Amino acid sequence: GQQLNQSPQSMFIQEGEDVSMNCTSSSIFNTWLWYKQDPGEGPVLLIALYKAGELTSNGRLTAQFGITRKDSFLNISASIPSDVGIYFCAGRSSSGGSNYKLTFGKGTLLTVNP
Amino acid sequence: GAVVSQHPSWVICKSGTSVKIECRSLDFQATTMFWYRQFPKQSLMLMATSNEGSKATYEQGVEKDKFLINHASLTLSTLTVTSAHPEDSSFYICSAMTDPNTEAFFGQGTRLTVV
Repeated sequence: GQQLNQSPQSMFIQEGEDVSMNCTSSSIFNTWLWYKQDPGEGPVLLIALYKAGELTSNGRLTAQFGITRKDSFLNISASIPSDVGIYFCAGRSSSGGSNYKLTFGKGTLLTVNP
Repeated sequence: GAVVSQHPSWVICKSGTSVKIECRSLDFQATTMFWYRQFPKQSLMLMATSNEGSKATYEQGVEKDKFLINHASLTLSTLTVTSAHPEDSSFYICSAMTDPNTEAFFGQGTRLTVV
């Protein structure tokens, strides 16, 4: 089955630093999504990417859909304490039929020291 | 963004009883809803995909007779954990989307504890 490798597993950074995390896939995706999950909550969508090469920003967050369609990265600039949480990438490989399900990475735990 | 509401947020039940979890799309019609299970410090594991008006499609290894899914309307899907046991204790999360290739929005999750 499809596999998503997300790295790093965890990051400890100082407030104000920039952060980068990425996901690579063993197969092609046509949609990449990035989510943030706080403890005891469901994931919240941060950025959605639909085209290879697409670069999209949402405030201090920037994500790109890799040109090979097998990878994506998420950057967070000037981190703040409320950025703490688990970040998940998710990919969808099919645009037709009934296979709309997402494949999730294992997550990146981000800790920001004030 | 679209709002997905999940109820209850947490539930404690006795071993052997059944528990129903509801997932509602509040401001859009969800043709497809997904149910996930998440263990501590792990990623989301898809349990099943449900389409309105049809039977759910379960992932390999998920018992369909134990985890009953009903998607009777475009705004509501339910997951019933039947004859719950302590090993069923977990965080259950639903997500919904309007049509293929759109974003999937998640509910806030339900913490199930079976004692």
